[in-house]
Formats: sequence, structure tokens, C-alpha cells
Amino acid sequence: DTEVTQTPKHLVMGMTNKKSLKCEQHMGHRAMYWYKQKAKKPPELMFVYSYEKLSINESVPSRFSPECPNSSLLNLHLHALQPEDSALYLCASSQGRSLMNTEAFFGQGTRLTVV
Amino acid sequence: DAKTTQPNSMESNEEEPVHLPCNHSTISGTDYIHWYRQLPSQGPEYVIHGLTSNVNNRMASLAIAEDRKSSTLILHRATLRDAAVYYCILRDTGTASKLTFGTGTRLQVTL
Repeated sequence: DTEVTQTPKHLVMGMTNKKSLKCEQHMGHRAMYWYKQKAKKPPELMFVYSYEKLSINESVPSRFSPECPNSSLLNLHLHALQPEDSALYLCASSQGRSLMNTEAFFGQGTRLTVV
Repeated sequence: DAKTTQPNSMESNEEEPVHLPCNHSTISGTDYIHWYRQLPSQGPEYVIHGLTSNVNNRMASLAIAEDRKSSTLILHRATLRDAAVYYCILRDTGTASKLTFGTGTRLQVTL
């Protein structure tokens, strides 16, 4: 199984809502990532978890709150988002801390619309 | 991470080879060169990576210049399913946990 599964595939939420994005992998990978991708732009790194600990936060606003409950799961909790946060949110995983000579596997993403 | 420069777009005919260039003149000695691609409406997928020697896998070949200041991703026979944005990325020892995407090359494949 080389899949990274993201749910839901699509999400529409109001600016006062609280919602969560979920990501799951069963490849035994110990590093997991959240990326944000706006239309026609490259993915931008948001967070990196390594061995269930947050190792990188790319100065992401606190209305995005990541959580890694175990080595297979990664959540992104959303609260009080703005319309400009509408984007494709991608989850990825890789075997270890270093991506220097290993590959990352990406999910299909969650298309988020904030209204 | 060291910067990469890629053409914004390229076109190819189906069944023809495609050479996608990437310049990385500030590459350091320990940077790996990675290529990912993103098909429409999908997440990025790994294509290939290398350090110094040319590399081949089932998807593509990676040709790395002797001075490592440039590399070329080679798709031997392009198909319509290869139409995607191709990203050339350098992996730096200082930020080994990051995968930082540049603007990439949008490849169009026509019949």
C-alpha cells in the first residue's frame, strides 16, 4: 500500500466554522507534511511532523492547527478561516526525517472553499 | 534551499522524447536533485532523483551535468498521460526535511 489518503476530498466551510482535514498512511512512514496549494501555483509547505513531533512550522497562522495523534494519522484543524485560505490542502509522507535521498508520497488533496 | 530555474512551459508530440531542463548553478556538493510531477487535479508524485550520476527508472531518466549546475529530465516516449507540471527540486542538508517547490515546467503533449 503506497497510498496517502485524505478526507474529505472537498470541503466548504463558513468563516465561523471549525472543521478538520484528515490524512492517513500505512507505509510506516515517520515524517508527515501539510502543504497548501493555490490555483496555478506550486505547493507551499506549512508543517512537518517527524516521529509524531512538530519539527517545522512555516510561520503558519494559528487558525491552522496541526495534530499528529499517531504515526499513521495527521490532522489539520481549521478555525476562523478567511476566504483567502481557500486552496487545495495536500498531505504527504516520507520514510524518515531526511528527504535528501528518499521520496515523498502525496495524497490527492482536500479542496477547501471558505465562504 | 538552492534555487532552480525551469522554463515555464514546453510542448511535445506524443510518442516523442521530451527533455525537460533545470538550471541549478548554486547547487552545493551534497544537494540531491529531485523531480516531481503534478498531473491535473492530483497531488504531486515522485519521478526520480540523483546526486552525481545519471539515473534511470521505469518513469524517466535523469541526466546530470558533470559540474552539477544543470540537469535534464528525459521522458523517452511522451504520452498524453505525461501532461503535467514538472518540478525540479534540490534537497539541502540544512533543510533536509523540507521539499520546496519552485514554479516548475508545464508540459503539454499533443497528438
